[in-house]
Amino acid sequence: GQQVMQIPQYQHVQEGEDFTTYCNSSTTLSNIQWYKQRPGGHPVFLIQLVKSGEVKKQKRLTFQFGEAKKNSSLHITATQTTDVGTYFCAEVTNTGNQFYFGTGTSLTVIP
Amino acid sequence: EPEVTQTPSHQVTQMGQEVILRCVPISNHLYFYWYRQILGQKVEFLVSFYNNEISEKSEIFDDQFSVERPDGSNFTLKIRSTKLEDSAMYFCASSTSGFSTDTQYFGPGTRLTVL
Repeated sequence: GQQVMQIPQYQHVQEGEDFTTYCNSSTTLSNIQWYKQRPGGHPVFLIQLVKSGEVKKQKRLTFQFGEAKKNSSLHITATQTTDVGTYFCAEVTNTGNQFYFGTGTSLTVIP
Repeated sequence: EPEVTQTPSHQVTQMGQEVILRCVPISNHLYFYWYRQILGQKVEFLVSFYNNEISEKSEIFDDQFSVERPDGSNFTLKIRSTKLEDSAMYFCASSTSGFSTDTQYFGPGTRLTVL
């Protein structure tokens, strides 16, 4: 199966610090989606990126798709305790029928 | 807001037993999916289902697994003879279409424990 790698695997930050997770694929992606999974919860869709170099913002979250469409990043500005969870990128096949989730980055925010 | 539901929330079974996990996708969605997540690991794709047949499946989805849409609302995952390594969280998801740009909505999951 396809491998979508994310780094770092874990990140501990003080509340108010910024956080970034990176998603890398060995193949060119048609699009990429980001999900958040709270501890004990299920994945919840955050955003989708389709175009090369695309940047989208949701309040304190900034998502970027690489120019070559092989990598993506999620940046959170001034983290809050509500940001705690695991952030997954998901690579979608062209048919749209298989999602390959990345390895995830677990974010801990220390108050 | 409509949501995907799953039952039971937790299933405990003995190794070798059959289990059926149930899901009710969002009503106007046409594509259905099963994923599993072993504790502390990433979410892994198992199978996608459309128009009463499997659309795609992963290497994990072997002959021990089957899916069915027995009526107009339920979508089930059956594991014929459970193994210890089947212990995981199983998530059902649905989407309006199978387009790669479509959003998948996940259910709350069923935690399967095989003893």
